[in-house]
Amino acid sequence: GAVVSQHPSWVICKSGTSVKIECRSLDFQATTMFWYRQFPKQSLMLMATSNEGSKATYEQGVEKDKFLINHASLTLSTLTVTSAHPEDSSFYICSASGVGEADTQYFGPGTRLTVL
Amino acid sequence: LAKTTQPISMDSYEGQEVNITCSHNNIATNDYITWYQQFPSQGPRFIIQGYKTKVTNEVASLFIPADRKSSTLSLPRVSLSDTAVYYCLVGALGNTGKLIFGQGTTLQVKP
Repeated sequence: GAVVSQHPSWVICKSGTSVKIECRSLDFQATTMFWYRQFPKQSLMLMATSNEGSKATYEQGVEKDKFLINHASLTLSTLTVTSAHPEDSSFYICSASGVGEADTQYFGPGTRLTVL
Repeated sequence: LAKTTQPISMDSYEGQEVNITCSHNNIATNDYITWYQQFPSQGPRFIIQGYKTKVTNEVASLFIPADRKSSTLSLPRVSLSDTAVYYCLVGALGNTGKLIFGQGTTLQVKP
């Protein structure tokens, strides 16, 4: 149990375009999903916390207009990188916590974004 | 959020037991301690979680002293495939649990 998927696993796009990444909890309902970004040889950096049916809470320094997060259902959250630039190239990882579960976050496999 | 401190790197040999200690001096009463393993270009994988004393599962043990200001992840008889980055995190559970990752410990297992 506690499986989280991401789609796509990798994406290459041109500078200026927008890219959408999906995060799904496959076998549990996730009231809260989290989005992280990880640059090479670095740790994960929390970008935002997404609660189902409400606006996401962004960490300091993360542009909410650039990284649009939608959590429309208990099994799906999306991250859209708008007007992507090469510096947005990174490994994006989501995680999910279940409804009423006294357990931890489960992470997706990540999405490698390369902006040319 | 409680900050954690771990060794940056550790080396070991196949078959040995590896212990990675994490310091979290300002852990809060409702915080749990969770360890994750991450391989390159993959999301972190849950290893073990505990609140106090000792927790054991099929892959690891977690030792937490009474003051909870530190914890030790114990990996029995490591293999080459255990080479990875190990993260110790402290935080509340469920939908209130925002996790802040530290630098982690890069474990290199040698033949």
